[in-house]
Amino acid sequence: DAKTTQPNSMESNEEEPVHLPCNHSTISGTDYIHWYRQLPSQGPEYVIHGLTSNVNNRMASLAIAEDRKSSTLILHRATLRDAAVYYCILRPSTGANSKLTFGKGITLSVRP
Amino acid sequence: DVKVTQSSRYLVKRTGEKVFLECVQDMDHENMFWYRQDPGLGLRLIYFSYDVKMKEKGDIPEGYSVSREKKERFSLILESASTNQTSMYLCASRDRGANVLTFGAGSRLTVL
Repeated sequence: DAKTTQPNSMESNEEEPVHLPCNHSTISGTDYIHWYRQLPSQGPEYVIHGLTSNVNNRMASLAIAEDRKSSTLILHRATLRDAAVYYCILRPSTGANSKLTFGKGITLSVRP
Repeated sequence: DVKVTQSSRYLVKRTGEKVFLECVQDMDHENMFWYRQDPGLGLRLIYFSYDVKMKEKGDIPEGYSVSREKKERFSLILESASTNQTSMYLCASRDRGANVLTFGAGSRLTVL
């Protein structure tokens, strides 16, 4: 299974943009890139996903490198509520019953 | 609103006890997953089920078994609990082929 690599932690200031990187150099052509986040004392929740093109939704933006070997989750204006662990995972598009493997994620701290 | 419910938020058990962790989803999803989460190790997949009575081992199945007798319920069983199984356990479900996992709030198990 293709793996992802993320830094252990990042810090940001409130109301500033945050760029969370993820490397997935062994990604296959049919893998989707997914991001989840886990707020304290809660289960993870879906944030965004993409295949090749950049994606935007109400929570965040996802920028995918042209070679697809890395991606960046962008929070346009960080709030204190965005402090969480963010997971970047790969989901194969083939094999509808594929397992989904999470890593350690990146812990985002937001300073007031 | 879609929901994944884990029966117990907190459990305390003794070494050697048999432990059942129950997970119920109301979304008619085919796929269900059990993860454990430990500090510094992120989420690790224990088992998943892609349909009733179907199961596959994840990355760390040793010491665990699962049961999926009905589509909405996926149980994680610790036949003889040990202290190294003290952890947060997270259940998730997903519609076959769909992109998004929905997680429960988690069950924190302490084995004394």
